[in-house]
Amino acid sequence: GENVEQHPSTLSVQEGDSAVIKCTYSDSASNYFPWYKQELGKGPQLIIDIRSNVGEKKDQRIAVTLNKTAKHFSLHITETQPEDSAVYFCAAIQGGAQKLVFGQGTRLTINP
Amino acid sequence: KAGVTQTPRYLIKTRGQQVTLSCSPISGHRSVSWYQQTPGQGLQFLFEYFSETQRNKGNFPGRFSGRQFSNSRSEMNVSTLELGDSALYLCASSLGTGQETQYFGPGTRLLVL
Repeated sequence: GENVEQHPSTLSVQEGDSAVIKCTYSDSASNYFPWYKQELGKGPQLIIDIRSNVGEKKDQRIAVTLNKTAKHFSLHITETQPEDSAVYFCAAIQGGAQKLVFGQGTRLTINP
Repeated sequence: KAGVTQTPRYLIKTRGQQVTLSCSPISGHRSVSWYQQTPGQGLQFLFEYFSETQRNKGNFPGRFSGRQFSNSRSEMNVSTLELGDSALYLCASSLGTGQETQYFGPGTRLLVL
């Protein structure tokens, strides 16, 4: 089955700097890769996603890149703000199934 | 549009008891997936229901079961609770017709004593 590895597990950056979180997946059949943000006491919230026919996608300060050959995808957050502090999860889906396989999560802390 | 709702939000049970959790999906969504979140194992897929049928299943023991009603609301049941079942149980809904976004509810935090 699919396996998703996420790094780093914790990340601390200064406000205004950029943050990068990386994930690798094992199953080349995976073709949908969402990123979720989870704040304390809340469920995960989708922040951006990418499909396997696209190499990069941007939404304001957030971008995701996908390298299908290397089977890895990354989340980039620019001009970080205190409200970006949260736990971020990458995930992968295989084929048409609704089964999300998640990475282990990255706790991002933005220091003022 | 109202989001995914889960009830109850918090629950305390003792070992050996059983528990039923409820999830109401976003209006129009026919797929409901359940996930277990623990500090040690992270987010793990339990099962997915679509049109009242279990369509996908994760690697959890048979003590974990679910069902879906004709209005797409779903319930999850855990029988003979163990201490290790303490977790945040999340449900997510989607249209269910392909690889669409799954929208998560706030979760039910279960503590087993």
